[in-house]
Amino acid sequence: DAKTTQPNSMESNEEEPVHLPCNHSTISGTDYIHWYRQLPSQGPEYVIHGLTSNVNNRMASLAIAEDRKSSTLILHRATLRDAAVYYCILRDPLGNTDKLIFGTGTRLQVFP
Amino acid sequence: DAGITQSPRYKITETGRQVTLMCHQTWSHSYMFWYRQDLGHGLRLIYYSAAADITDKGEVPDGYVVSRSKTENFPLTLESATRSQTSVYFCASGHGGDQPQHFGDGTRLSIL
Repeated sequence: DAKTTQPNSMESNEEEPVHLPCNHSTISGTDYIHWYRQLPSQGPEYVIHGLTSNVNNRMASLAIAEDRKSSTLILHRATLRDAAVYYCILRDPLGNTDKLIFGTGTRLQVFP
Repeated sequence: DAGITQSPRYKITETGRQVTLMCHQTWSHSYMFWYRQDLGHGLRLIYYSAAADITDKGEVPDGYVVSRSKTENFPLTLESATRSQTSVYFCASGHGGDQPQHFGDGTRLSIL
């Protein structure tokens, strides 16, 4: 399974944009890039996913590099509720297990 | 309400005892998963199921048993609990492919 590399931690101030990077240099052509986040004492929560094109939803935006070897999750205006661990995960929908392989993620701290 | 529920939320038991963690989803998702999360680590897959009566091992299956007689339920049993199985357990479900997984709130299990 292709792996991802994320910084251990990042900080932001409330109301500011946050760019969370993820490197995945061994990504295959069929791997989707998924982002989940885990708030304290909760299960992981789906944020966004994409294949090649940039994606937007109500929670965040996902910017994917042209060579797909890296991506960035963008929170446009961080709130205190966005403080969580963010996981970047590669998934191959053609695989027969559909499992998610979690790394250690990026812990985002948001300051008032 | 539709969703995924885990029970119990908290459980304390003793080494050698059998304990079963329950997971129920109302979305009719074909895939269901059990993960464990230890302090300071990401989630690790224990077992998963692609459909009723189909189960397979994940990354850390030793000491655990699963069954899936109905699509909506996926219980996880520790046949003889050990202290190393003290952890937070998360159940998840999904349609498969590139679709997101939905996680429960977790069961915090302590084995004395």
